[in-house]
Amino acid sequence: DVKVTQSSRYLVKRTGEKVFLECVQDMDHENMFWYRQDPGLGLRLIYFSYDVKMKEKGDIPEGYSVSREKKERFSLILESASTNQTSMYLCASRGWEKLFFGSGTQLSVL
Amino acid sequence: QQQVKQSPQSLIVQKGGISIINCAYENTAFDYFPWYQQFPGKGPALLIAIRPDVSEKKEGRFTISFNKSAKQFSLHIMDSQPGDSATYFCAAEKNTGNQFYFGTGTSLTVIP
Repeated sequence: DVKVTQSSRYLVKRTGEKVFLECVQDMDHENMFWYRQDPGLGLRLIYFSYDVKMKEKGDIPEGYSVSREKKERFSLILESASTNQTSMYLCASRGWEKLFFGSGTQLSVL
Repeated sequence: QQQVKQSPQSLIVQKGGISIINCAYENTAFDYFPWYQQFPGKGPALLIAIRPDVSEKKEGRFTISFNKSAKQFSLHIMDSQPGDSATYFCAAEKNTGNQFYFGTGTSLTVIP
C-alpha cells in the first residue's frame, strides 16, 4: 500500500514564525500536492509539484511556498505564519487517477 | 469560486436507509469525477469514481449516478451503516489537467 507520511500530526506556532510542513511518499510518484482543509470550504489546493524542483501554484498559494529537492519529499513552507493560516494541511501523492493522502497536520498559529 | 458545488453540508440517516449526496459543476472540460471518504483523524481516501461515458457506476453499496446534460452527479449509499459515518467529498478533474477540484464536503452520520 502507498504510504504518505506527514511529519507532525499537531503543530502550534507563533505569528511571524517560519513553519515547515514535511511530507514523504514511498511509491515513487511524480505528482505531489498540498491542500488545506477548512470546515465549509472543503479541500483547497495550495501548490503541487509534477517533478523534482518543479512546482505549480494552486488556488490559494499566497503566503506559502514549497520545496521539492527529492522525488519522495514535498515540503510546504509558511514564510511568516499568520493566524488565518490556522488549518488542517493535507499532503497527497498521485498514482494514476488516484490521490493518496497523508493523515494531515493540524496547524494552530497563535 | 467553487468549481464543484456539493450538498448537503451535513446529513443524518437511520441505519439501513439510503444516503444521497449531490454535486454539480459548470466546466464541461471536467471528465473524471471521483468521490473521497474521510474518517476523523485520517486523510481522504478514494471511494469510487466515474467518467462521463457512463451514467452509473456501482461498487457494493455505493453508486455514482451521473447526468452529463445537467452537469450533476451524486453518490448513493444503500443500506447505510454506522461505519459509513464520515465526511464525503466529490471532486472533478479536467481532461487536460493535473488538478482535482473538490466540493465542500458532506458530513454523514448514520444513526444505529
